[in-house]
Amino acid sequence: GAVVSQHPSWVICKSGTSVKIECRSLDFQATTMFWYRQFPKQSLMLMATSNEGSKATYEQGVEKDKFLINHASLTLSTLTVTSAHPEDSSFYICSAPKGGGTDTQYFGPGTRLTVL
Amino acid sequence: GESVGLHLPTLSVQEGDNSIINCAYSNSASDYFIWYKQESGKGPQFIIDIRSNMDKRQGQRVTVLLNKTVKHLSLQIAATQPGDSAVYFCAEQYSGGYQKVTFGTGTKLQVIP
Repeated sequence: GAVVSQHPSWVICKSGTSVKIECRSLDFQATTMFWYRQFPKQSLMLMATSNEGSKATYEQGVEKDKFLINHASLTLSTLTVTSAHPEDSSFYICSAPKGGGTDTQYFGPGTRLTVL
Repeated sequence: GESVGLHLPTLSVQEGDNSIINCAYSNSASDYFIWYKQESGKGPQFIIDIRSNMDKRQGQRVTVLLNKTVKHLSLQIAATQPGDSAVYFCAEQYSGGYQKVTFGTGTKLQVIP
């Protein structure tokens, strides 16, 4: 089946620093990828849609200047949490659909971010 | 932000029994529905899906039922095993929604050996 990877799997950083998380589709190309945030005991909340070659589309309430998304190739999207604060600590998950239309989303294993 | 004290609904089932997890979805225009399994510290794992032109679909040990009239989805797991213990999320998609997936609140399944 389709595989999506994320790197790093976990990261601890100091408040005020920036952290980059990578999402890769390993055996397929993805013109679109999605970034989610999940707090403990809660569901996944869509943050933004990453579009290859164009700007990301952010969900309401998500600060685009704080969560920078770059989809530089058909297999890689990056999420940079800028000037991270403790409230940004969360589990960040990406997904990618393998084909067009309403296809199944394949999810990455997630990245645990802890901001001290 | 994070909600302190929030608890997922929990379903406790004896090993070998059947499990039924229910979900209410929100968008009557949604036409594709998916069940995901999420183990602690991992990303969601696809279990089974169903399109809106169907009301039932079966997989290996799992069955999904869709009732569009009341916007209800259920996941049935036959002969539940300890390895089925996880959080289960239903999710909905709308073909005109640019492949965005909206997740339900989730149900924690605990299998008692």
